[in-house]
Amino acid sequence: DAGVTQSPTHLIKTRGQHVTLRCSPISGHKSVSWYQQVLGQGPQFIFQYYEKEERGRGNFPDRFSARQFPNYSSELNVNALLLGDSALYLCASSWTSGWGSYNEQFFGPGTRLTVL
Amino acid sequence: DAKTTQPTSMDCAEGRAANLPCNHSTISGNEYVYWYRQIHSQGPQYIIHGLKNNETNEMASLIITEDRKSSTLILPHATLRDTAVYYCIVRVPAAGTASKLTFGTGTRLQVTL
Repeated sequence: DAGVTQSPTHLIKTRGQHVTLRCSPISGHKSVSWYQQVLGQGPQFIFQYYEKEERGRGNFPDRFSARQFPNYSSELNVNALLLGDSALYLCASSWTSGWGSYNEQFFGPGTRLTVL
Repeated sequence: DAKTTQPTSMDCAEGRAANLPCNHSTISGNEYVYWYRQIHSQGPQYIIHGLKNNETNEMASLIITEDRKSSTLILPHATLRDTAVYYCIVRVPAAGTASKLTFGTGTRLQVTL
């Protein structure tokens, strides 16, 4: 079975531009979460979606938005890019949005975004 | 969620046991201890979790002290491929809520020949 897939692998943008990152969860998983990992730090939670609805949001500005599609894939959008948005963006999938001992999150390889 | 404290880095010789400590002195009675690791340039990988009993799986063992204020992740025979950043996370399992993971800075484990 394929794991969590993300595209693109790497991306270079300039300040002020917009970016869309994509994630496909593990087959059968209905929940997708997004994390931002700045160099040298642990991942920081951005969003969680379950059954196309937002179930959680981290402390990120409104420039960050996301959505989940009927096939459970997801997009993360970032508007008006800043230099500080340069980071590894990770997508994780799980069975549901709940937290249980059966509901571990499985992470994709991430998208490396560089903002110049 | 309770905060955790981990050493910044540790070294371990290949073939030896790697013991990674985590302090979670403010943990509450219903919070679980989870361990993830992140190998360079990859996404985090789930390792193991526990509440108060010691746990073991094919990857590692988790030893939680009786007062639950600290725990140790044990990799019994570390290999070079275990070189990674290891994150200790405590969280209440609550179905229906956003199951976000709150990562700290973790412990960078370097396994050497």
